[in-house]
Amino acid sequence: EVQLMESGGGLVQPGGSLTLSCAGSGFSFTKFAMNWVRQAPGKGLEWVSGISASGDETYFADSVKGRFTISRDNSKNMLSLRINSLRAEDTALYFCSKGGTQMIDALDRWGPGTMVSVSS
Amino acid sequence: SYVLTQPPSVSVAPGETAKIACGGNNIGRKPVHWYQQKPGQAPVLVVYDDNDRPSGIADRFSGSNSGNTATLTISRVEAGDEADYFCQVWDGSSDQGHVIFGGGTKLTVL
Repeated sequence: EVQLMESGGGLVQPGGSLTLSCAGSGFSFTKFAMNWVRQAPGKGLEWVSGISASGDETYFADSVKGRFTISRDNSKNMLSLRINSLRAEDTALYFCSKGGTQMIDALDRWGPGTMVSVSS
Repeated sequence: SYVLTQPPSVSVAPGETAKIACGGNNIGRKPVHWYQQKPGQAPVLVVYDDNDRPSGIADRFSGSNSGNTATLTISRVEAGDEADYFCQVWDGSSDQGHVIFGGGTKLTVL
């Protein structure tokens, strides 16, 4: 069974940093693109970043470019998102999602999410 | 950047058919994916590549995509279908590709 589990969320002050992690299991992690999608309270889904299966190609939403870094460790089936210079508008539930072999493919599995709250 | 437009809400009686539209410039040229999200839960993929269903998704869910509009159709609507629905595409038109989501449609079963 495909499983994704995020961790690393919490309460952070504005300007702070945080690293989110996602552990994948039940599938060949090395073969699939992975993405981070966030959802602010009461709002819709917002894609923030994606990474190819090999990790050679990374993609970012314009709203987070330069502040977020995505990476993966295929030897450990782990996906990470480093968030710097946190702002109040980064407050959201962050989901890790499994893509297909190409970035154009659907996000066919999602983790339960980890909450990030930015407040002083 | 590429924009997907969905109606904020759709209402339908049980047993009827719900249609949720997703508008985008020449969206018919892109594979469209649809997700269902119930309160407090992660999204679930219900239709991919315009009109394919993942295993375990009822055949009451179907999709179409042509011109500037993609549509998710839910036949014989049940109370359990009440949820938010999001359409999604990959926009590779720029040097930096992006996943794009529509704003979401709240389906209310009357």
